[in-house]
Amino acid sequence: GAVVSQHPSWVICKSGTSVKIECRSLDFQATTMFWYRQFPKQSLMLMATSNEGSKATYEQGVEKDKFLINHASLTLSTLTVTSAHPEDSSFYICSALRSSGYEQYFGPGTRLTVT
Amino acid sequence: GENVEQHPSTLSVQEGDSAVIKCTYSDSASNYFPWYKQELGKRPQLIIDIRSNVGEKKDQRIAVTLNKTAKHFSLHITETQPEDSAVYFCAASMGGADGLTFGKGTHLIIQP
Repeated sequence: GAVVSQHPSWVICKSGTSVKIECRSLDFQATTMFWYRQFPKQSLMLMATSNEGSKATYEQGVEKDKFLINHASLTLSTLTVTSAHPEDSSFYICSALRSSGYEQYFGPGTRLTVT
Repeated sequence: GENVEQHPSTLSVQEGDSAVIKCTYSDSASNYFPWYKQELGKRPQLIIDIRSNVGEKKDQRIAVTLNKTAKHFSLHITETQPEDSAVYFCAASMGGADGLTFGKGTHLIIQP
């Protein structure tokens, strides 16, 4: 149990366009999901915390109007990168938290390349 | 906010020897400390975690120790094997719906 999927696994888009990434918990309900970003050879950085039915909480320095997060159900959170630029190219990883636990279950990540 | 420091950034050990990776954290409210193994292009894989009401936890060749007073925790891998080669991250959070703050990572190299 505790499987998290992400779609797509990789995407290439042109500068100025928007890209949507989906994160799904397949076999449990996740009241909270998190979005992390990882640049090459660097650590994971928390971008935002997403709670079902409410607005996401963004970390300092993360533009909420650029990285739109929607947690519409207990099994789905989406991250939309709007007006993407080459510096947004990164590995985006989501994680999901069971309602009664501490462990975060990570998705496989989405490799975004902006040309 | 929380700040997690991790050392060393690279660690090379002979196969069969032990490896130790150390982390310190800044926020005394943190009470959940997981360790992850990440292979290139893959998701982080939880290998062991510890909560602040416990000082040590062991799972076969892997152990974690926590010193809440000094705000540091360590990962110990014994009898290292080639498949242990990867990047290891420590992290800290207040648990629950609190996101993880990660250390910068340690590239562990097991020399045959």
